[in-house]
Amino acid sequence: EVQLVESGGGLVQPGGSLRLSCVASGFTFSAYSMSWVRQAPGKEPECVSFMSSSGNSIDYPDSVKGRFTISRDIAKNSLYLQMNSLRAEDTAVYYCVRGHSGSSTWDYWGQGTLVTVSS
Amino acid sequence: DIQLTQSPSSLSASVGDRVIITCRTSQSVTIHLNWYQQRPGKAPNLLIFGASTLQNGVPSRFIGGGSGTDFTLTISSLQPEDFATYYCQQSYSTPTFGGGTKVEIK
Repeated sequence: EVQLVESGGGLVQPGGSLRLSCVASGFTFSAYSMSWVRQAPGKEPECVSFMSSSGNSIDYPDSVKGRFTISRDIAKNSLYLQMNSLRAEDTAVYYCVRGHSGSSTWDYWGQGTLVTVSS
Repeated sequence: DIQLTQSPSSLSASVGDRVIITCRTSQSVTIHLNWYQQRPGKAPNLLIFGASTLQNGVPSRFIGGGSGTDFTLTISSLQPEDFATYYCQQSYSTPTFGGGTKVEIK
């Protein structure tokens, strides 16, 4: 059974940092593209980072470019999101998601971890 | 970025009704259009990918159609568990989502 379990969310002050983790199981982690998708309250989801299965292709939207960094540890079947210079508008539930056939079609989602940026 | 416009933004329907949700993209995405269902407090769940291919385990009452810039999600006979919010998403370029359609009980 495919499982994605996120952790690391919480309350952080504006300008602060947070590192999210996602442990994957039930599939060959290195064979799939992975992404982080966030959803602010009452809004549609937004992809904030993408990593290809090879790890050679990484992408971010302009809204987080230069502040967020996606990485992975294949030996630990883990995906990470380092978030720096956090802003109030980064407040959202962050989901770890698996790409279907290497694309940005997401067939498995974690349960999500809430990040709240507030003073 | 490609913009996605869903309509309606919400609708009220009864069990057994046929429901149609539309998604229009600001430029062609060929068939790289996906549909997700999201129940309150849960993560989105992939229903249809490639505009019309049903994801494994999804009931056949969910039907996707369209290509280019105009797409539809049809629920042929609404069931109680289908009351949720539905999102379209394009995977043709930098991924983006539509604003969602909330399906409520009449």
